Amino acid sequence: AQSVTQLDSQVPVFEEAPVELRCNYSSSVSVYLFWYVQYPNQGLQLLLKYLSGSTLVKGINGFEAEFNKSQTSFHLRKPSVHISDTAEYFCAVIYGSSNTGKLIFGQGTTLQVKP
Amino acid sequence: NAGVMQNPRHLVRRRGQEARLRCSPMKGHSHVYWYRQLPEEGLKFMVYLQKENIIDESGMPKERFSAEFPKEGPSILRIQQVVRGDSAAYFCASSPPGGGAHEQFFGPGTRLTVL
Repeated sequence: AQSVTQLDSQVPVFEEAPVELRCNYSSSVSVYLFWYVQYPNQGLQLLLKYLSGSTLVKGINGFEAEFNKSQTSFHLRKPSVHISDTAEYFCAVIYGSSNTGKLIFGQGTTLQVKP
Repeated sequence: NAGVMQNPRHLVRRRGQEARLRCSPMKGHSHVYWYRQLPEEGLKFMVYLQKENIIDESGMPKERFSAEFPKEGPSILRIQQVVRGDSAAYFCASSPPGGGAHEQFFGPGTRLTVL
């Protein structure tokens, strides 16, 4: 079955420390990969996406992610977090052709940045 | 250029009533997607529509739920005879024509509470 797994439900980290949020997807011939951020009581904002090309993708707010096909992973990283990065982060995948339209989301990871 | 608009932002209904959620896509976008976020869970795909057509409704519950995207006006997600389990945040996303499902922009969501 097509699925997305975010391995950590909560990640506490101190301000200015590095962070990695993990995401694995079920194997498929072709995938499009996304990370979204959701602040409390708000909608989703796209952080970054991988469609093709370079496996290292840079997004907004200093975040980046690396597509690893052999490990079916798309982990999100930031070298130094800020208090304002505290939010819910969702990994999402479109399997197969982008024309299907269906984003499949992971369960989400709550990033808690402590002063 | 306004983003995806959803209204109402908050909706309270009693069990057995009907809920109507509206989504106005971004200007120039002709594809609309609805997702549901239950408490403590990630987003789940419900339905994908183009103008006057339902493309994929594989995530829609079989009963009480319907969606439309008329030629003129917003997309409507309709829930008849609501039950407490329908309480959730409902998000709409839109994308441009030409198969750009990987270009989904999300609205702020409608938070439905069923008493």
